[in-house]
Amino acid sequence: QPQLVQSGPEVKKPGASVRVSCKASGYRFSTYRISWVRQAPGQGLEWVGWYAQNLQGRVTMTTDTSTNTAYMELTGLRSDDTAVYYCARESWGTWYFDLWGRGTLLIVSS
Amino acid sequence: QSALTQPASVSGSPGQSITISCTGTNSDLGNYDYVSWYQQHPGKAPKLMIFDVSNRPSGVSNRFSGSKSGTTASLTISGLQTDDEADYYCLSYTSSSTLVFGGGTRLTVL
Repeated sequence: QPQLVQSGPEVKKPGASVRVSCKASGYRFSTYRISWVRQAPGQGLEWVGWYAQNLQGRVTMTTDTSTNTAYMELTGLRSDDTAVYYCARESWGTWYFDLWGRGTLLIVSS
Repeated sequence: QSALTQPASVSGSPGQSITISCTGTNSDLGNYDYVSWYQQHPGKAPKLMIFDVSNRPSGVSNRFSGSKSGTTASLTISGLQTDDEADYYCLSYTSSSTLVFGGGTRLTVL
């Protein structure tokens, strides 16, 4: 069955960088695009994008079609980047997410 | 892009019906029918409940329904069950070709 498997939790210091992965299986990877959504502790969902739409140019999103894996790299980490980061699948141009990863917890702390 | 406006909380008794509103602008859900709703239980990934305003994915109970009028979309849950207790988020496409979530609504089943 289709699934998205994300990498494990990360603890980083302010100013550092992090790369989160999201490996897809059980469906044709090219038929869908992967978006990233984050959720700060106790807060709501925030769409991060599927390329670098948000986060002031600090985020880079890539995909490796040879391994069906999407990556999100966030640089210049700040404490307010502490959140659970979800990858989510969208059939191109449908503008909704029908499959989600379980999330990757990122803690940014000195 | 500001978040769509949802009530912070709603409540209902088992068997009752409740409606959660999601208010946007003519730059997002007022001008597009790309509105979706997600259910999130504590510590879990969001789950798609409604897409394109009023369509249910396969496997979602027909107790969940969606509608839209002007710049306000609504999610109605009929025959409330204890397992419906969760956070609910709306999501809309915007005129900037981005996506924006609502702030989220906590549903309590009394």
